[in-house]
Amino acid sequence: EVQLVESGGGLIQPGGSLRLSCAASGFTVTSNWMSWVRQAPGKGLEWVSLIYSGDRTFYADSVKGRFTISRDSSENTLYLEMNSLRAEDTAVYYCARYDFSNTFDYWGQGTQVTVFS
Amino acid sequence: EVVMTQSPATLSVSPGERAILSCRASHSVSYNLAWYQQKPGQAPRLLIYGASTRATGVPARFSGSGSATEFTLTISSLQSEDFAIYYCQQYNNWPPITFGQGTRLEIK
Repeated sequence: EVQLVESGGGLIQPGGSLRLSCAASGFTVTSNWMSWVRQAPGKGLEWVSLIYSGDRTFYADSVKGRFTISRDSSENTLYLEMNSLRAEDTAVYYCARYDFSNTFDYWGQGTQVTVFS
Repeated sequence: EVVMTQSPATLSVSPGERAILSCRASHSVSYNLAWYQQKPGQAPRLLIYGASTRATGVPARFSGSGSATEFTLTISSLQSEDFAIYYCQQYNNWPPITFGQGTRLEIK
């Protein structure tokens, strides 16, 4: 059974850093395209980042230069390193598998990140 | 960037009736369009990809249609569990991968 479990969220002041983790089971993170999608309170879905073949990466303009996506084969885990956090980064962060049909077929339950001053 | 616009923002429909949700793309996305369902406190769930192909386990009452810039998600004979927020997503021109702002389907 495919499962994604995020962790690492929390309360952080502006300018701070957090690292989110997404532990996968039922498939191999390094053999699949993986992504982070976030949802601000009461808002819609916003794509954040994607990692694919050869560990190449894409980022939304809103996080480029501040966030870094990576993955570890030994832990079968996806990460999102978030630096220089801003109030507008406050959201639930979901990890998701980006499958062959170019859609997000499996999602984690999300982890809350709150940036407050 | 392809901007996705969904309408209406909120749709009120009675159980057993049909719901029609719309999604418009600012540029043609061919058939590269997906639909997701999200219930309160839950992660989104993939319903439709390729504009009209149902994902595994999705009931036949969900159907998608359209191409280029105009897409529709139709839910025939609404069940209580179908009341949720629905998002469209394009994957024709990316990055960025873009979503619509969502349509809230509520019980009338």
